[in-house]
Amino acid sequence: DIVMTQGVLPNPVPSGESASITCRSSKSLVYKDGKTYLNWFLQRPGQSPQLLTYWMSTRASGVSDRFSGSGSGTYFTLKISRVRAEDAGVYYCQQVREYPLTFGSGTKLEIK
Amino acid sequence: EVQLMETGGGLVQPGKSLKLTCATSGFTFSTAWMNWVRQSPEKGLEWIARIKPKSTNYATEYAESVKGRFTISRDDSKSSIYLQMNSLKEEDTATYYCPTGSFDYWGQGVMVTVSS
Repeated sequence: DIVMTQGVLPNPVPSGESASITCRSSKSLVYKDGKTYLNWFLQRPGQSPQLLTYWMSTRASGVSDRFSGSGSGTYFTLKISRVRAEDAGVYYCQQVREYPLTFGSGTKLEIK
Repeated sequence: EVQLMETGGGLVQPGKSLKLTCATSGFTFSTAWMNWVRQSPEKGLEWIARIKPKSTNYATEYAESVKGRFTISRDDSKSSIYLQMNSLKEEDTATYYCPTGSFDYWGQGVMVTVSS
């Protein structure tokens, strides 16, 4: 199975600052079509996960351009610019390159 | 508006069975891939099953943790998917979600507790 390992944030992050969340996969997530099959989600307290980006860097419908995904085949970053109170929650990366689809353990973001 | 609603959860004893339903609306269900994902404090988010549309003969995929015990199915006439859970274990205790194939839409989830 592909193991997804997420980093820890130095919380809390002051409102208006930027935050970068990291994720590493145990195997390359680049498929033969050239796309990188990595999703990012935000789960706010008491809510279901919300898709933020897919194919590593494509924002989902309705997602603010303050969220940007980047990375290589095995190392990924979700950058949140000008963080707001509404960005607080747990961020998850997920690989959808191969079965079983696997998630990281989550990175908590607190806003000051 | 896309909507998904999971139902059928509850308290069940180890070794027993339970069937979850995910009713959907607002998109073309018959051609959609669908998933079941569960979440527990111990294991976090865990993808457990996927079903593809009729064009693939309703192909399915499962996580090893549920293979042979859980069965995902669908009824296109009802725009619904199901999760038949047999031989339940305490470690199956979780909130169960049925996100769409690309994980772009999720329901609110349903709680399943396996305990004697």
